[in-house]
Amino acid sequence: DAGITQSPRYKITETGRQVTLMCHQTWSHSYMFWYRQDLGHGLRLIYYSAAADITDKGEVSDGYVVSRSKTENFPLTLESATRSQTSVYFCASSANQFTEAFFGQGTRLTVV
Amino acid sequence: AQTVTQSQPEMSVQEAETVTLSCTYDTSENNYYLFWYKQPPSRQMILVIRQEAYKQQNATENRFSVNFQKAAKSFSLKISDSQLGDTAMYFCAFMKWPPIWGAGTKLIIKP
Repeated sequence: DAGITQSPRYKITETGRQVTLMCHQTWSHSYMFWYRQDLGHGLRLIYYSAAADITDKGEVSDGYVVSRSKTENFPLTLESATRSQTSVYFCASSANQFTEAFFGQGTRLTVV
Repeated sequence: AQTVTQSQPEMSVQEAETVTLSCTYDTSENNYYLFWYKQPPSRQMILVIRQEAYKQQNATENRFSVNFQKAAKSFSLKISDSQLGDTAMYFCAFMKWPPIWGAGTKLIIKP
């Protein structure tokens, strides 16, 4: 199916563990993004990417790493999870920097 | 620095009423795109409407329309004949690299 999918949808992990959130899009969009959304708040940009092998830090990148070896995949890794990283994570993609972004369903991550 | 401001954290109106959500932004650029997104309780982010800055005509999508005032850097969203299903968070976004998002307005439609 065409679209953008995130996995898993829900994840509970322990403090200090490494966890990877997956994002896959089928449109071959060049631009991809990771956001986090804390309860009742807006979107905060973690990382973004203009193309495969090109990534940039957003406003809240500490504690996160990304890779983009293929255009369609943009995994986000929490190197050592902390309780403050409990949030809903959204992946998004867009065809270019001016067009609308399409969002995945979100991953609710709980760090205990 | 470019910013997007949504000054209304929360609004509520009766069903069938018209409601306007405000968004202001700051930029020195001349060509850009602005968007309104809706996030219902399901958390899915849904595009509502987009406006291209070089177009003077305000965008309209069924019950949703914008009032785009380029000189004032204002981009408000008007929802006519509001419905219960319009209850959601609404985000204004300024599309550049990277995109800039407003903090959101929580809209509650009361029966």
